[in-house]
Amino acid sequence: QKEVEQNSGPLSVPEGAIASLNCTYSDRVSQSFFWYRQYSGKSPELIMSIYSNGDKEDGRFTAQLNKASQYVSLLIRDSQPSDSATYLCAVNVYTGNQFYFGTGTSLTVIP
Amino acid sequence: GAVVSQHPSWVICKSGTSVKIECRSLDFQATTMFWYRQFPKQSLMLMATSNEGSKATYEQGVEKDKFLINHASLTLSTLTVTSAHPEDSSFYICSAILGGGPITDTQYFGPGTRLTVL
Repeated sequence: QKEVEQNSGPLSVPEGAIASLNCTYSDRVSQSFFWYRQYSGKSPELIMSIYSNGDKEDGRFTAQLNKASQYVSLLIRDSQPSDSATYLCAVNVYTGNQFYFGTGTSLTVIP
Repeated sequence: GAVVSQHPSWVICKSGTSVKIECRSLDFQATTMFWYRQFPKQSLMLMATSNEGSKATYEQGVEKDKFLINHASLTLSTLTVTSAHPEDSSFYICSAILGGGPITDTQYFGPGTRLTVL
């Protein structure tokens, strides 16, 4: 089983809708969780980090963490065409800074 | 804050030559940097973890004699692709950790270097 799993998509949503991206992880000692956005041909950029159970909101983005279910999600409200990208989930298992990335979910926001 | 730069952004070289890529943390000190490779439409592949002042730790299957990593200071790590061949053509991305402890360590990525070997 992979350390971090994401649905590869592609996920398509209409402009203005909520996009929901999901990620599960296997290591119960995972400490911190990150969502990155990667545009085609570019490097990943950090969107949000979350460390505690519950929701964390930043503008149109909300990260949700449930450690008991080993599940982290990202909600994008009022999706815009500029949100079209691949979204990477990453987990830090702090045994020597071991980061694990999912393979990414491709999101397309349709105007 | 937390800006990571890479140089060059793109490079074209002849087969058999060596190419050096620099990764710098511009506004923070990075005890740990990572080097990734990404082929078109594929996911990130971690090549090695670089700690300042010590030898890099390479992932399984990555040739350490071909991909030389030097982390000479808290703000600079270099990746040298030795005797490059066309199959080494890829997008190389570095990242650095903005440390705050085991809970808050965050990876920030450089813009990447696109290598084309002719």
